[in-house]
Amino acid sequence: NAGVTQTPKFRILKIGQSMTLQCTQDMNHNYMYWYRQDPGMGLKLIYYSVGAGITDKGEVPNGYNVSRSTTEDFPLRLELAAPSQTSVYFCASKGLAGGPSNEQFFGPGTRLTVL
Amino acid sequence: QKEVEQDPGPLSVPEGAIVSLNCTYSNSAFQYFMWYRQYSRKGPELLMYTYSSGNKEDGRFTAQVDKSSKYISLFIRDSQPSDSATYLCAMKEGSQGNLIFGKGTKLSVKP
Repeated sequence: NAGVTQTPKFRILKIGQSMTLQCTQDMNHNYMYWYRQDPGMGLKLIYYSVGAGITDKGEVPNGYNVSRSTTEDFPLRLELAAPSQTSVYFCASKGLAGGPSNEQFFGPGTRLTVL
Repeated sequence: QKEVEQDPGPLSVPEGAIVSLNCTYSNSAFQYFMWYRQYSRKGPELLMYTYSSGNKEDGRFTAQVDKSSKYISLFIRDSQPSDSATYLCAMKEGSQGNLIFGKGTKLSVKP
């Protein structure tokens, strides 16, 4: 199992450009998440999905869009990049099993700089 | 008041020291408490979890939850340079709820 994979690893965008951050998991997990991590600020939830075709906003959704057409993929779209979106983006997934050990598995992250 | 407060550090200790990492929270409905470890330029990995109050031990690591004080701790005994990382606390209300993360504490263990 590759787990959670993210592409690209790094990207520099100009203000106003758009891009899609890709996320794929091969663990047949229902739940998938997108977080952003700014220096010293922890992880902030952008969007999440509880299954194919179902998405919902997290704490900081403005400026982003998502879709979930398959169980495996959960792309994050930035339409008009702004310097405030400079951050490290993490995708995560988890299965349906209940209980406190229902952990989220994280990808390696995408470092995005908007200039 | 933020839901989860965590001192970002940085915290620097000598090898072999006992390390104490802490978080406070305001939402009394939180029942599930986690500690994630994040190495530099990597994604977070679950280190320990605790349900409700009490202690949990795993090797050199001990997680404590005091719900009456809304305070959780992670203790690392005999710290090693390989423990150098950022430690993030996280918590949620129900088993399927979304996690709320602290800012993370950056720990450096010097040989």
